[in-house]
Amino acid sequence: DGGITQSPKYLFRKEGQNVTLSCEQNLNHDAMYWYRQDPGQGLRLIYYSQIVNDFQKGDIAEGYSVSREKKESFPLTVTSAQKNPTAFYLCASSIYGGGGSRETQYFGPGTRLLVL
Amino acid sequence: AQSVTQLGSHVSVSEGALVLLRCNYSSSVPPYLFWYVQYPNQGLQLLLKYTSAATLVKGINGFEAEFKKSETSFHLTKPSAHMSDAAEYFCAVSAINTGTASKLTFGTGTRLQVTL
Repeated sequence: DGGITQSPKYLFRKEGQNVTLSCEQNLNHDAMYWYRQDPGQGLRLIYYSQIVNDFQKGDIAEGYSVSREKKESFPLTVTSAQKNPTAFYLCASSIYGGGGSRETQYFGPGTRLLVL
Repeated sequence: AQSVTQLGSHVSVSEGALVLLRCNYSSSVPPYLFWYVQYPNQGLQLLLKYTSAATLVKGINGFEAEFKKSETSFHLTKPSAHMSDAAEYFCAVSAINTGTASKLTFGTGTRLQVTL
């Protein structure tokens, strides 16, 4: 089955620790995205990537980093500089076949990050 | 710049009653509009999208939405609510912009409760 997988489902971070959230897709999509979801605030874009080895900051990139070394993988690192990391993190992908903004984004099941 | 306002963070309806979830958008260019549904601790699933073809858009699970440019609205409706419709619903807007990956701006969400 094609889809997006995120791991782990739950992740605990200690103070001053960097943690990495995994996102893998087998949909052959070019574009991938990371969102942060907080109660009552909807989803906010952290980073997105339109193609391998390229990515752009979203609206709340401070304290986060990403890499895109393979088409199917887009890991997100939450660094110690992110002072309020507790949230639900969602990864998404879209075809990016020239259709631009009308393309549907497909979401993974999410990772919940908690601070110890 | 684009934004989405969802009126009502919580909506409660009886089973069998009409569902109406409100979404108003702001965009400096013609928009593409999306409705997503999220069940607890899961990712988002696309319900329907408007991409400038028909103004009345039909989606999955019996939902539909009508794009009204004069009112800058894209309200989601379903004639008869079912218990399984209980979830959180997000409206999102994407500015028409070919050649780049989709960048969605989400509303803050509306939690739908369905009672017996």
